[in-house]
Amino acid sequence: DAGITQSPRHKVTETGTPVTLRCHQTENHRYMYWYRQDPGHGLRLIHYSYGVKDTDKGEVSDGYSVSRSKTEDFLLTLESATSSQTSVYFCATGGQLRTQYFGPGTRLLVL
Amino acid sequence: DQQVKQNSPSLSVQEGRISILNCDYTNSMFDYFLWYKKYPAEGPTFLISISSIKDKNEDGRFTVFLNKSAKHLSLHIVPSQPGDSAVYFCAASSNAGGTSYGKLTFGQGTILTVHP
Repeated sequence: DAGITQSPRHKVTETGTPVTLRCHQTENHRYMYWYRQDPGHGLRLIHYSYGVKDTDKGEVSDGYSVSRSKTEDFLLTLESATSSQTSVYFCATGGQLRTQYFGPGTRLLVL
Repeated sequence: DQQVKQNSPSLSVQEGRISILNCDYTNSMFDYFLWYKKYPAEGPTFLISISSIKDKNEDGRFTVFLNKSAKHLSLHIVPSQPGDSAVYFCAASSNAGGTSYGKLTFGQGTILTVHP
């Protein structure tokens, strides 16, 4: 597996609070992705990055923003957390081939 | 519009028998397919993949079959072991290039339980 870490691993926050999740990779992969996993929905793409400072929206991007200032780091920000954003968030990376490698996940609870 | 579907939420199999997990897709632009396994409280782990130029790919106990005309793929696990109990996701990627390269669309997942 690619060296991918996510922080924090668990977070409890209140509605309306900004939250930032961090993904760090050591594989120098060009592509990075943020997904959320919810029961009955599988993994849904939130945002992705195809290079430093190059990002684009996925299928469930509303309420989320991302930034990538270095190859190894990809940040996901919930500007004002809502209860519907309670989920498990996974970061993934991809190199030249189309296989993605996933981090361990962050479990977020918005009260 | 769910482009990748796993219609069986769960599957229960006896140890030593074959497990068959199914996946259907609708987008004819998909040309690369993957299966991931996920244990609780862990991230998905890549299992096996297949390109649309093939109809079968094998890796040890795991074989993926692709039927392009039916837009259907399946994962066979033989023999099944209790350690295979996990959630299995199929995923598909289109041949779109540029910045969309490598984007995956996932199915909802199938929970496999292998009983000793």
